[in-house]
Amino acid sequence: DAGVIQSPRHEVTEMGQEVTLRCKPISGHDYLFWYRQTMMRGLELLIYFNNNVPIDDSGMPEDRFSAKMPNASFSTLKIQPSEPRDSAVYFCASSLRLSTDTQYFGPGTRLTVL
Amino acid sequence: SQQGEEDPQALSIQEGENATMNCSYKTSINNLQWYRQNSGRGLVHLILIRSNEREKHSGRLRVTLDTSKKSSSLLITASRAADTASYFCATDGDTDKLIFGTGTRLQVFP
Repeated sequence: DAGVIQSPRHEVTEMGQEVTLRCKPISGHDYLFWYRQTMMRGLELLIYFNNNVPIDDSGMPEDRFSAKMPNASFSTLKIQPSEPRDSAVYFCASSLRLSTDTQYFGPGTRLTVL
Repeated sequence: SQQGEEDPQALSIQEGENATMNCSYKTSINNLQWYRQNSGRGLVHLILIRSNEREKHSGRLRVTLDTSKKSSSLLITASRAADTASYFCATDGDTDKLIFGTGTRLQVFP
C-alpha cells in the first residue's frame, strides 16, 4: 500500500481565497483524521471520520473550515475564506479499527496564506 | 489542552550515546504510543505500550510505563545521526481520540 496520500504538498495562496486539501487514506482503514500543526499550538486534531461519517469536529476552529468524506477513499478539508493565521502544516491520518489505534500519517500539506 | 507533556523540550547528544525522553499525562489511559517526526514529514508510529505493561522493546527502543506516576519514558540506545527528529507521545486518556504531547526535539551529532 502507498500509505496515506495528501495533495497538494505545498499551497501558497492569498488571504480570502478558498483552499482545498485532499487526502486518500490507507485502503481498509475505518478512521480518518485531519490535524493541523504549528509551532505555537503543536499538533491539533481538527476532525475525524468513522466509515465516512464525521464523528467529532470540535477541533475545527471556525465556520470557515469544513471537511467532507464522500467515500472511503477520499476526504477534503476546505478553508473558505483563508486567512494568514491558517498558515500551518495540515496532516491527514488513518487508523484501522479504532480511533485510538495506531495512526498512519500522510506527508502533510504546508499551507501559506499571504 | 495537551494530555501529554514531553520532557525535555530539546535534547542534543553525540552519536553512540543514549537518549531518554519522558512523557507525563493527566488521566488514566488504555495505551500510550510514541511517534517520530522527521523534519518536513508526517508522524511515524514507533511503539505502543498498554496500561498493563511496564516495559516494551523494539530494536534500539525501550519504552517504560508507570501508570501510578502517569509517566512514560522512551530510551533510544546507541543513537545515530538518523535518529535526529521530534518524538511525541500520544495517549487515549478518557476520550475516544489520541491526544499528542508537545514533543521532544532530538539532535544527534555525528
